[in-house]
Amino acid sequence: EAAVTQSPRNKVAVTGGKVTLSCNQTNNHNNMYWYRQDTGHGLRLIHYSYGAGSTEKGDIPDGYKASRPSQENFSLILELATPSQTSVYFCASGGWGQINERLFFGHGTKLSVL
Amino acid sequence: GQQVQQSPASLVLQEGENAELQCNFSTSLNSMQWFYQRPGGSLVSLFYNPSGTKHSGRLTSTTVIKERRSSLHISSSQTTDSGTYLCALERGGSNAKLTFGKGTKLSVKS
Repeated sequence: EAAVTQSPRNKVAVTGGKVTLSCNQTNNHNNMYWYRQDTGHGLRLIHYSYGAGSTEKGDIPDGYKASRPSQENFSLILELATPSQTSVYFCASGGWGQINERLFFGHGTKLSVL
Repeated sequence: GQQVQQSPASLVLQEGENAELQCNFSTSLNSMQWFYQRPGGSLVSLFYNPSGTKHSGRLTSTTVIKERRSSLHISSSQTTDSGTYLCALERGGSNAKLTFGKGTKLSVKS
């Protein structure tokens, strides 16, 4: 079974601080994604990647950066965290190029920015 | 406007009843997927179904591209089916960018 591991599972940050959320997948998928999930908004795409060295902006990229240093790892970076970024963040991996198979999600990271 | 709309927003069933969940989209698509999410939990892929009908146990997914809709049918519901069901589409030309609906929250009572 495909595996996507996120760390940390929970994080409390201070406003203005830097936060890095990490994601590792062992599926050898090219495509990786970062979503946030909020009540009333559902899942919204922040950044995604087609492979090592590539990052693409999703639907709500402002305030976030992404890094894909290798096939397995995809990070989401909040350089200056704000309370509005309090949310649950999900990483996912799936497919090669166009999605041609199921998407696999990590367990999520609950981030609180105080 | 919203490109992926799910209905109903919530649904309450008695155990044993069937459910029909709908996903309508306003754009061309490359693929459609259905996911299940337990409260406070992660998402589990149920179906990758870009067109036609697929079955998995008590679940059936049907995607009709011409009518821009996909449905998820749950037969003989069980209390363990409770949770949120989400559909997600990869828009035509967007190459791997998945957009999610807001989900249908299902509660099955015993």
